[in-house]
Amino acid sequence: DAGVIQSPRHEVTEMGQEVTLRCKPISGHDYLFWYRQTMMRGLELLIYFNNNVPIDDSGMPEDRFSAKMPNASFSTLKIQPSEPRDSAVYFCASSPGEGSRSTEAFFGQGTRLTVV
Amino acid sequence: GIQVEQSPPDLILQEGANSTLRCNFSDSVNNLQWFHQNPWGQLINLFYIPSGTKQNGRLSATTVATERYSLLYISSSQTTDSGVYFCAVPPDNYGQNFVFGPGTRLSVLP
Repeated sequence: DAGVIQSPRHEVTEMGQEVTLRCKPISGHDYLFWYRQTMMRGLELLIYFNNNVPIDDSGMPEDRFSAKMPNASFSTLKIQPSEPRDSAVYFCASSPGEGSRSTEAFFGQGTRLTVV
Repeated sequence: GIQVEQSPPDLILQEGANSTLRCNFSDSVNNLQWFHQNPWGQLINLFYIPSGTKQNGRLSATTVATERYSLLYISSSQTTDSGVYFCAVPPDNYGQNFVFGPGTRLSVLP
């Protein structure tokens, strides 16, 4: 498997624009996570899904953020409208959900978002 | 919620030296992961270690869940070991996600 795949790797956008980040989890993994990394707050969970269903979105900062998982192989994180404080690295991760290492998480390479 | 601390926050080593990184957590956990974030930002799995000791080449890790800590040992460090090392634990015994520590930034000098 190619691992967790995120796109784009880098995104620069102007304040007020809509941004969509994409993620393809490892095939067969039941859990998908979106994390955000900033200097001030470190790595923090935004939302996670189990079998395409959102389980915990308490980390989503505000209504400007939304995430979907229409099928087992694709998820999006959308920010609308974007603000400069959204600038961060956004990571997607997945974990198997079954077996002896059910919660072992594997991360994508991240999307570095810059909002100017 | 669970609190995760890591020490030291920063570490500078000469190539070839050994080091020990520590992760303390405030509540009992049923799993723990160590990650290495390389200078390009990629998060690489090092160990999935709920308890006991594991070794992978020059790296090894020990988790003592009853005493709420884990240690990561790096022997004969190389410049490619530079980066930030994170430990991560679930928020509770039911959580599937991880809470990350603040990390230890390691710089290995040639």
